[in-house]
Amino acid sequence: ETVLTQSPGTLSLSPGERATISCRASQSVANAYLAWFQHKTGQPPRLLISGTSTRATGVPDRFSGSGSGTDFTLTISNLEPEDFAVYYCQQFGGSPPVYTFGQGTKVDIK
Amino acid sequence: QVQLVESGGGVVKPGGSLRLSCAASGFTFSNFAMHWIRQAPGKGLEWVATMSDDGNNRYYADSVKGRLFIYRDNSKNTLYLQMNSLRGDDTATYHCAGGRMPWSGYYLQDFWGRGTLVIVSS
Repeated sequence: ETVLTQSPGTLSLSPGERATISCRASQSVANAYLAWFQHKTGQPPRLLISGTSTRATGVPDRFSGSGSGTDFTLTISNLEPEDFAVYYCQQFGGSPPVYTFGQGTKVDIK
Repeated sequence: QVQLVESGGGVVKPGGSLRLSCAASGFTFSNFAMHWIRQAPGKGLEWVATMSDDGNNRYYADSVKGRLFIYRDNSKNTLYLQMNSLRGDDTATYHCAGGRMPWSGYYLQDFWGRGTLVIVSS
């Protein structure tokens, strides 16, 4: 089973700064099967990006995804107050197929 | 608007059973795959199970295989999770989610419910 390791575990930043979150896979992940989610306390998780770099409907363009193979990145440029949350990467694959999440990265206010 | 509302959570003894429901509205339920994803207290998200729109594909996490069963009733716009032989590590908030199939056999989690809490404790 593919393990996803996110870094850092916590990112302390100020509004207006740039957040860069890494997601490293224990084996190669197809770009089509890599997604990112945002989760705020008390709210349901939200799909941000699918297929490594395609933003979901309504997601602002300050969110961007990139990467390939075993290394993927979520970048949030110019942090807004509503962006402080926990972010998860997720991959799909294997036989039988499974979904796995990274352990999460908390972006909090410095 | 799209809405998913989970119900059926509660406190159950180890070894017991529970059935969760997820009532869907605001979209054509039969056209979307559905998922269960859980979050244990203080932990991250863990995928549990997926069922395709037509029911032909079902996937399970190894940790729940043979104990938890996903199924749906498209006539009632409802997704279910039958939970048997429950253990302490099944304690979590269980979210249902729905999504498109951008690639054959691969289903996104485009929209989510708020979840229902299951506590397994003696």
